[in-house]
Amino acid sequence: QVLLVQSGAEVKSPGASVKISCKASGYTFTSYPVHWVRQAPGQRLEWMGWITPDTGDTKYSQKFQGRVTLTRDTSASTAYMDLSSLDSEDTALYYCARVPAPSEELDHWGQGTLVTVSS
Amino acid sequence: EIVLTQSPDTLSLSPGERATLSCRASQSVSSSYLAWYQQKPGQAPRLLIYDASTRATGIPDRFSGSGSGTDFTLTISRLEPEDFAVYYCHQCDSSPRTFGQGTKVEIK
Repeated sequence: QVLLVQSGAEVKSPGASVKISCKASGYTFTSYPVHWVRQAPGQRLEWMGWITPDTGDTKYSQKFQGRVTLTRDTSASTAYMDLSSLDSEDTALYYCARVPAPSEELDHWGQGTLVTVSS
Repeated sequence: EIVLTQSPDTLSLSPGERATLSCRASQSVSSSYLAWYQQKPGQAPRLLIYDASTRATGIPDRFSGSGSGTDFTLTISRLEPEDFAVYYCHQCDSSPRTFGQGTKVEIK
């Protein structure tokens, strides 16, 4: 079955960076875009961007442009999300999710990675 | 940016009752790009409905979606105990993709 398994929780200081991994299994990793979505406490889900694993093409939400970098390692069937210049408002659960192209909905999600930004 | 507003924020119902959840968009969304998700505490969202009205794999037929343009609806015909959760609508028609603020369906 399709599985997306994310790396574990992180605690970071303000100004630091965090890199989260999302390992895919149960399908051909390069055939489906991977999106990243975050959920801050008490807030709605917030889309951050996507990466097309076969080409490495990316698109970012303007809100995160310049601070987020999405990459992938096709040999490891793993996508990565790197967020820099962290502050307390970045404390959130971060999810990766697959899109069953050509559709655009998010059909399978990772379990989420909690990032806590605290001094 | 397309803003999605869900109503009500909270719906208090009993098992067996019908739930009707609304999602209104600030501008028109293609029906092909409107989805609904269910989220339970401590879990990731789960896809329920895509293309506004198509049930995802394994989703019971008590869940149905409808609507077009700026007004969309998720209906749960008869609430089961496992349906009490938070529901989000999501537009993937234009960038940035956006979500509604969620409707919590709680046990009355």
